[in-house]
Amino acid sequence: EVVMTQSPATLSVSPGERATLSCRASRSVSTNLAWYQQKPGQAPRLLIHSASSRATGIPARFSGSGSGTEFTLTISSLQSEDFAIYYCQHYDNWPPWTFGQGTKVEI
Amino acid sequence: QVQLHESGPGLVRPSETLSLTCTVSGDSMNVQYWNWIRQPPGKGLEWIGYIYYSGSTSYNPSLKGRVAMSLDTLQSQFSLRLTSVTAADTAVYYCARGWAFEYWGQGALVTVSS
Repeated sequence: EVVMTQSPATLSVSPGERATLSCRASRSVSTNLAWYQQKPGQAPRLLIHSASSRATGIPARFSGSGSGTEFTLTISSLQSEDFAIYYCQHYDNWPPWTFGQGTKVEI
Repeated sequence: QVQLHESGPGLVRPSETLSLTCTVSGDSMNVQYWNWIRQPPGKGLEWIGYIYYSGSTSYNPSLKGRVAMSLDTLQSQFSLRLTSVTAADTAVYYCARGWAFEYWGQGALVTVSS
């Protein structure tokens, strides 16, 4: 099983600032990596797939990078609606597919 | 517009079987992975498994053989069965489509309690 480790656990930022979230896989997952945003009481929303491709309707301030075992989600200029929990997830050819433990982005 | 909706009992007694159904609209269910994911209250996400449109399945070994999924393409539904539940199975259960989960249901809270 691939272990996904996210850092930091909590990120405190101000609106308008840049946020950088990290995700590390215990072995290579190539670019089979997704990022999700989850707000209280809601289902997660897909932001990024294939490590760097924005999902439909996702604003350009969200960007993903990385391959192999190291991945980054960057929010270029935080808006008030971006304060949430963010999860990474791998989905390569060898399940189980696993999620990171999440990074909470707070004001 | 693809929509998924979970349905099933919100309360299950310990040692019994949890059963949920996900109804899909706006999609043919072909050439897709159909997943179940859960989230215990206040905790992170756990992938339970998928059923492919062909009927093949993959389950999370952490559930130790307690899980089974089925697919009814004519009804545009897929289902989850989790046997021998305990309080640790209390969670919001989500259904979702794909490898990267682009479409999710709204979630169904299932509480395991006597």
